[in-house]
Amino acid sequence: QVQLQESGPGLVKPSETLSLTCSVSGNSVITDNYYWSWIRQPPGKGLEWIGYISYSGSTNYNPSLRSRLTISVDTSKNQFSLRLRSVTAADTAVYYCARVDITIFGVLNLIDFWGQGTLVTVSS
Amino acid sequence: QSALTQPPSASGSPGQSVTISCTGTSNDVGGYNYVSWYQQHPGKAPKLMIYEVTKRPSGVPDRFSGSKSGNTASLTVSGLQTEDEADYYCISYVGTNNLVFGGGTKLTVL
Repeated sequence: QVQLQESGPGLVKPSETLSLTCSVSGNSVITDNYYWSWIRQPPGKGLEWIGYISYSGSTNYNPSLRSRLTISVDTSKNQFSLRLRSVTAADTAVYYCARVDITIFGVLNLIDFWGQGTLVTVSS
Repeated sequence: QSALTQPPSASGSPGQSVTISCTGTSNDVGGYNYVSWYQQHPGKAPKLMIYEVTKRPSGVPDRFSGSKSGNTASLTVSGLQTEDEADYYCISYVGTNNLVFGGGTKLTVL
């Protein structure tokens, strides 16, 4: 069974960098069948797509976050990570890591496995 | 890309049917058959309920069904049960190798 688990600080100060890691078990991140993604959900609000990475390091980011965002992958640890710079209170959210299924044509299809989510609060 | 449009809320009594819509454009919902639906209970991660517009993953009750017409996809829950009360989100492929999310619909079972 595939499992994803987010880890990282639950409190980040404004203007600092939010860093989270997603540990994947039950599936190698080295695969052409899936992308590895981050999604967030501000308290009481809807889901927001952050971006994704392939095992080879190709990325695609939400344009609204692109200037502050880096997603990376560590195949040796079967993990991928998120770094969001210069955070503000608007970045307070539950952050999910998830697996995105890709069709044989390379099209993003569905999100089939999610981590449990981790709440990150931006506050001084 | 703009978010997909969902009604903020929907409701129905136990045993009834309810349909939740998800409206996009010809660049996303209308252009591809890669629309999926997710159920989210409070404090939990979303769960895949429907994919590729109409398909159900193993383990999802057949009370849940999906369809699409033009730029609007729909999720229908038949024979409503109390455990169906949750938030529901649609997601569509949008080209440029990206996904676009709906704003979510809160389903209340009266």
